[in-house]
Amino acid sequence: GQQLNQSPQSMFIQEGEDVSMNCTSSSIFNTWLWYKQEPGEGPVLLIALYKAGELTSNGRLTAQFGITRKDSFLNISASIPSDVGIYFCGAAYSGAGSYQLTFGKGTKLSVIP
Amino acid sequence: EAGVTQSPTHLIKTRGQQATLRCSPISGHTSVYWYQQALGLGLQFLLWYDEGEERNRGNFPPRFSGRQFPNYSSELNVNALELEDSALYLCASSWMAFFGQGTRLTVV
Repeated sequence: GQQLNQSPQSMFIQEGEDVSMNCTSSSIFNTWLWYKQEPGEGPVLLIALYKAGELTSNGRLTAQFGITRKDSFLNISASIPSDVGIYFCGAAYSGAGSYQLTFGKGTKLSVIP
Repeated sequence: EAGVTQSPTHLIKTRGQQATLRCSPISGHTSVYWYQQALGLGLQFLLWYDEGEERNRGNFPPRFSGRQFPNYSSELNVNALELEDSALYLCASSWMAFFGQGTRLTVV
């Protein structure tokens, strides 16, 4: 089945540093999504990408849909303590009535004040 | 607009029992997706319901089942519970996955 390889698995960074994480796959997708999950909560959608090459920002977060349609990255600039959580990538090949997401295993982010 | 709601938030069951988890999607959304999030395993797709029909299921045994009601709310049933069924069960509304906060199922 389709799999997303998300890396790194975990990161420890100093407050103020920039963060980068990515997801890759051997399959082509036409939608990439990035989520953040905090303890005891469900994942929350951060950014949605619909077009190869698309670069989208949401505050300090920037995500790109890879040109090959097989990868995506998420950057967080100037990290702050509330950025702590698990970040998941999700991808779908939506069409012909089929809409189903595949998820990466997550990147656990820890921010040291 | 209310988000995705799940109940109960926590559930403790004994091995061999049955568990029933409930989900109400965002108003106007007709699809419900169920995911299992076990420790260290990320989000594993369980079931997808749309317009009252099961559209797809993940690689889980038949003791994981569910249904969707005419008001688009959904139930996930897990029969013959095993210890490894302990996980956070997440329900999502629409294919872009607007998630509820989940039901933490603990099997003892």
